[in-house]
Amino acid sequence: DAKTTQPTSMDCAEGRAANLPCNHSTISGNEYVYWYRQIHSQGPQYIIHGLKNNETNEMASLIITEDRKSSTLILPHATLRDTAVYYCIVRLRNYGGSQGNLIFGKGTKLSVKP
Amino acid sequence: DSGVTQTPKHLITATGQRVTLRCSPRSGDLSVYWYQQSLDQGLQFLIQYYNGEERAKGNILERFSAQQFPDLHSELNLSSLELGDSALYFCASSVAVGQGNEKLFFGSGTQLSVL
Repeated sequence: DAKTTQPTSMDCAEGRAANLPCNHSTISGNEYVYWYRQIHSQGPQYIIHGLKNNETNEMASLIITEDRKSSTLILPHATLRDTAVYYCIVRLRNYGGSQGNLIFGKGTKLSVKP
Repeated sequence: DSGVTQTPKHLITATGQRVTLRCSPRSGDLSVYWYQQSLDQGLQFLIQYYNGEERAKGNILERFSAQQFPDLHSELNLSSLELGDSALYFCASSVAVGQGNEKLFFGSGTQLSVL
């Protein structure tokens, strides 16, 4: 079962920042927070991941709270092409067997509007 | 382009038939994962292989089987097909298994329609 809670849907105006929240209150110290997105029926696309510290790459920023129980994915300047389902996933840092596989929940459907 | 190749892109078949889906991982990736996505179930993990050996099993039916070959490509075999098997099947690959830090790269999927 997914160990994260996300809003079902969100809207964002084009050019504005999109802030997607994720609750992972049962996360353990050796679990990463991953974000993937799926545009229409394409294969999921990796966005970013982090353990404790905030992370930034060319696609997005990931803000993890100090207690690690929640995080926010930030798309700084959303475009229409960012319309997608965004998945927040927790994953063991070191794993064997099935524990490390990505378990997708329902995600957040982000609609970027002109 | 993720570098993961899946064939065919579309497959239409009848109930009771058997099909094979193929996946070529990114160059250098040793681990292959199969996922099923249907409208009502979302993305479901099926099975994982690492360097030719089965590593983990998820919600894979007994009618389904997979293997990873020495050249690291993988095939997912679906037999005795039912209407409910209609779904998008994704393959993903990653460099290794066991770190928890590696990224999965997904192919564009095979759309299976069972009529």
